[in-house]
Amino acid sequence: GAGVSQSPRYKVAKRGQDVALRCDPISGHVSLFWYQQALGQGPEFLTYFQNEAQLDKSGLPSDRFFAERPEGSVSTLKIQRTQQEDSAVYLCASSPPTSGVLETQYFGPGTRLLVL
Amino acid sequence: AQKVTQAQTEISVVEKEDVTLDCVYETRDTTYYLFWYKQPPSGELVFLIRRNSFDEQNEISGRYSWNFQKSTSSFNFTITASQVVDSAVYFCALSEAWGSNYKLTFGKGTLLTVNP
Repeated sequence: GAGVSQSPRYKVAKRGQDVALRCDPISGHVSLFWYQQALGQGPEFLTYFQNEAQLDKSGLPSDRFFAERPEGSVSTLKIQRTQQEDSAVYLCASSPPTSGVLETQYFGPGTRLLVL
Repeated sequence: AQKVTQAQTEISVVEKEDVTLDCVYETRDTTYYLFWYKQPPSGELVFLIRRNSFDEQNEISGRYSWNFQKSTSSFNFTITASQVVDSAVYFCALSEAWGSNYKLTFGKGTLLTVNP
């Protein structure tokens, strides 16, 4: 079946612009995660949704970052007034419903954001 | 706080050599999960294996094997008879079973280059 998809794959923004990154999880997956991966580093957690509820946003680096998942499926990560330090790959992952044990997260191809 | 250390930044081997990628983790929880992901040049994180803290059995899957040792907090990954297609960045990750948020903490990754 189809995996996690993300769009756009590449985004170039001028400093100060707003950007919106989209994630389409695997059908039926209730959990959705966003991660930020700086060049040469491992992914770092940003935020987590269970269905439409945002249960953890502790990893969002500033109030310029906002994520939503209004219908419990597609999610959008929005970055307002982009800064050069926001340049990174943004990865989305989803996992199926859990029966009490951890389920594996499956990742999309990422959106590479470059802020000039 | 949880932490994952991958001390090897880069490893270069010749095809058919065996190679071991090291992973050391820190956690205060008694219940946790460990993962390995592969990130080829295309950028997508590919799930390889998941282990829970109660299962220290080593696992073999084809040319891949994993050695989990709680006594040394290590979860090492060995590729036997490496191939050029194994060239990628490999990430070790840890998830504490905290509520329903299974966010992953990643190491910085090991870049493996397999030369023909």
